Amino acid sequence: ETGVTQSPTHLIKTRGQQVTLRCSSQSGHNTVSWYQQALGQGPQFIFQYYREEENGRGNFPPRFSGLQFPNYSSELNVNALELDDSALYLCASSKSPRTGGETQYFGPGTRLLVL
Amino acid sequence: AQTVTQSQPEMSVQEAETVTLSCTYDTSESDYYLFWYKQPPSRQMILVIRQEAYKQQNATENRFSVNFQKAAKSFSLKISDSQLGDAAMYFCAYRSASRDDKIIFGKGTRLHILP
Repeated sequence: ETGVTQSPTHLIKTRGQQVTLRCSSQSGHNTVSWYQQALGQGPQFIFQYYREEENGRGNFPPRFSGLQFPNYSSELNVNALELDDSALYLCASSKSPRTGGETQYFGPGTRLLVL
Repeated sequence: AQTVTQSQPEMSVQEAETVTLSCTYDTSESDYYLFWYKQPPSRQMILVIRQEAYKQQNATENRFSVNFQKAAKSFSLKISDSQLGDAAMYFCAYRSASRDDKIIFGKGTRLHILP
């Protein structure tokens, strides 16, 4: 069984640029959730994708957007990067949210630094 | 809105001893899930244990057990026979049974294991 994978592991960008982070879900999972973890904090929910549609969104601005593909992998896009976007971005996969998908399994994260 | 509070930013325990990490949460819902996740320096968030609110029996996983007090909205994690590999950040987390997207995390407790 393949776990959740994320790429890249580290990324450095400058303010105003755009970034795309990628996530492959665990085998048997069709739901992907994205979280932002600032240094010294717990993860904060950005949004979730189920069946290629957004299934919930946290308190993040529209410049945070996402996609889910037919193979259930997902992308997180952030436009117009700000210094405060520097964080660890975690992807989590789970089964269908309404039937046994309450437990989310996390990938190793992407560390983003915005200069 | 639901909240999760971990009042112990850091804790230390001697190897082979027992330690308890505290967590309280606030919700008006009656059906939900609670989790403890471990995040070692490698950054990967690992599920330690989960509890369904409708179950009165406390969950156990090998050396890890919880004390779930639903009326008090308390969910503590006990680690028995602490090992050096238990050193990590521990996050308490909540997921509604009716809202099927996000997990809400506390700010974490950093656990040090003293040899």
